Formats: sequence, C-alpha cells, structure tokens
Amino acid sequence: KNEVEQSPQNLTAQEGEFITINCSYSVGISALHWLQQHPGGGIVSLFMLSSGKKKHGRLIATINIQEKHSSLHITASHPRDSAVYICAVLLSSGSARQLTFGSGTQLTVLP
Amino acid sequence: DTAVSQTPKYLVTQMGNDKSIKCEQNLGHDTMYWYKQDSKKFLKIMFSYNNKELIINETVPNRFSPKSPDKAHLNLHINSLELGDSAVYFCASSRGTGFSYNEQFFGPGTRLTVL
Repeated sequence: KNEVEQSPQNLTAQEGEFITINCSYSVGISALHWLQQHPGGGIVSLFMLSSGKKKHGRLIATINIQEKHSSLHITASHPRDSAVYICAVLLSSGSARQLTFGSGTQLTVLP
Repeated sequence: DTAVSQTPKYLVTQMGNDKSIKCEQNLGHDTMYWYKQDSKKFLKIMFSYNNKELIINETVPNRFSPKSPDKAHLNLHINSLELGDSAVYFCASSRGTGFSYNEQFFGPGTRLTVL
C-alpha cells in the first residue's frame, strides 16, 4: 500500500462546479506539495504547505496534520483546469529519499 | 526565459546505447533534482544535487550517473540503456537544500524511448 493515497483517481466535472481532491498519508510529514501536470506533460508546483490553508486564485489547499489529510479545492472550475493533480509528501526525517508521491488524480472539466 | 530547461525533449534509442539528458536552471537555485515518471504516471525521485554535491541517491541502478558541472546544470547520463528505462525524466530545482519548505520548479520533461 502506498504511503500516499489520492482520491478520486479520476474526476469529471461540469464547468463551474466546485471540485475537491483528497490526499491521505500514513506517516509523519514535514511538508506536503500539490503539483499539477498538464495534458502536455509539464509539471507545475501549486502549493507547498505544512499547516493550515493556502489560497491562490481559484485554488485552495488545506492540510490537517493530526488527521494526516490534505485537500485541494478548485472553485468555479474551468476546462483549462483539466490536468493530473499530484500530492507529494516529505517525510519528517527530511531526507530527499523520502519524498513520496501519490498516483495522481485525473481531472476533466467539461464545458 | 525558461526557468528550467531540458534537452532533448524526445530521445529514441536502441538498447545498450549510452545517452545523456541535459538540464539547466536560470533561477539561481541551490538544489536540482532528477525524477522518473513511469508509464503509469508515477513520479519517483532519482537524484538530488546541492551546490554540485550529490546529497541523495535513491535506489537507482549505477548505470545512471548525474553530473553537475556547476550549480546551474545537472545532467543525467545513462549507460547501457534497457527497455525498462523508457519513461519521462523530469529535472527540477529549488532554493536552499532539501525539499522542506521550498517550492520546486520543473523542467518540461524528456521522453526517453528505448527500442
């Protein structure tokens, strides 16, 4: 079982819908990253957080350290949000060896 | 200007060949990384370099050797290519050391196909 689990694996939404992607992890972490991989393959770092909540435009990321859970929300979704969203955690020891990735959530937003 | 660039974008080669992928960042970052993304889109860290020193080497075959001529460059050399090496390889960079609180910037990826 992967130490980082994402859900759902696939998500299809209509334009304008509110979207939530979840990431659960089973080990202690010092930071969590949300990444976006575009259909063309490019990867963009969206958020890096270790507590609380961050917001950037229509994207909101939250993390609950006690529950070992993070969510990525997209408000007023748009077809251009269609991408794979990847959660990655840095384990508490801080070793680069221990940056562990989830398997990604494929989001498709229909017009 | 592209922040993190990789060349080539596509690389098709025969088994047993030796090939290199180049990566350059113009962000002044201290740490650079190589990731491998397999056919199932799963990302895994391969190497991390900080100020030209290898600071982590994940369990990667020694046919893979990262080379960093300076802080802005981290090249990946692969000897005796195997079919299982086919994947997309991403270079990334970040400020400071390690992953803790520093955002990573990714290159566009190099799709390697071994025939």
